[in-house]
Amino acid sequence: DARVTQTPRHKVTEMGQEVTMRCQPILGHNTVFWYRQTMMQGLELLAYFRNRAPLDDSGMPKDRFSAEMPDATLATLKIQPSEPRDSAVYFCASAPGQGASGELFFGEGSRLTVL
Amino acid sequence: AQSVTQLGSHVSVSEGALVLLRCNYSSSVPPYLFWYVQYPNQGLQLLLKYTSAATLVKGINGFEAEFKKSETSFHLTKPSAHMSDAAEYFCAVTSSGGYQKVTFGTGTKLQVIP
Repeated sequence: DARVTQTPRHKVTEMGQEVTMRCQPILGHNTVFWYRQTMMQGLELLAYFRNRAPLDDSGMPKDRFSAEMPDATLATLKIQPSEPRDSAVYFCASAPGQGASGELFFGEGSRLTVL
Repeated sequence: AQSVTQLGSHVSVSEGALVLLRCNYSSSVPPYLFWYVQYPNQGLQLLLKYTSAATLVKGINGFEAEFKKSETSFHLTKPSAHMSDAAEYFCAVTSSGGYQKVTFGTGTKLQVIP
């Protein structure tokens, strides 16, 4: 059963620490999205990649957030330094190639708490 | 630019009653429209999608939605609510013709009362 895998599922850290979240997209999917979900803002698109190249990261605070795809099986989202306002659930989603119907396949999320 | 507006952040229905969750979209090009469901502590999963074929779309768990271009709407319905339908529902839009940015609505939490 193909699925998007995210690690860690839960992370508690202190303000100022670096946080790295990882995502393994479904094999063969070439488009990867990072979303952040909070009660106040709902689902926000942070960044997305196609064929490992960033297409849009306009939703990401550039001073502290960075997103990369070192290879086709791994996407990372880093926060350095972390702040309490970064507390949220971060979702990764993947999708098959261009021309498909637009459905996203979501991971179960990484719940981040910054104290 | 594209966007979706979900009317009502919380909806309560009695078990067995009709479920109606509202979504209106805005898009300058023909849209693809989606409904996703999120259960507690889980990611989103697709309920159904409209991709310019039939305007009445049937999804999983007895849900369906109708694309109405004249009303720019894509409301989600289910004839009879079940307790297991309690979840948060998200409407989403993207442009047709390949992957563009997928924009989600703010979500509607559905409560089902026994």
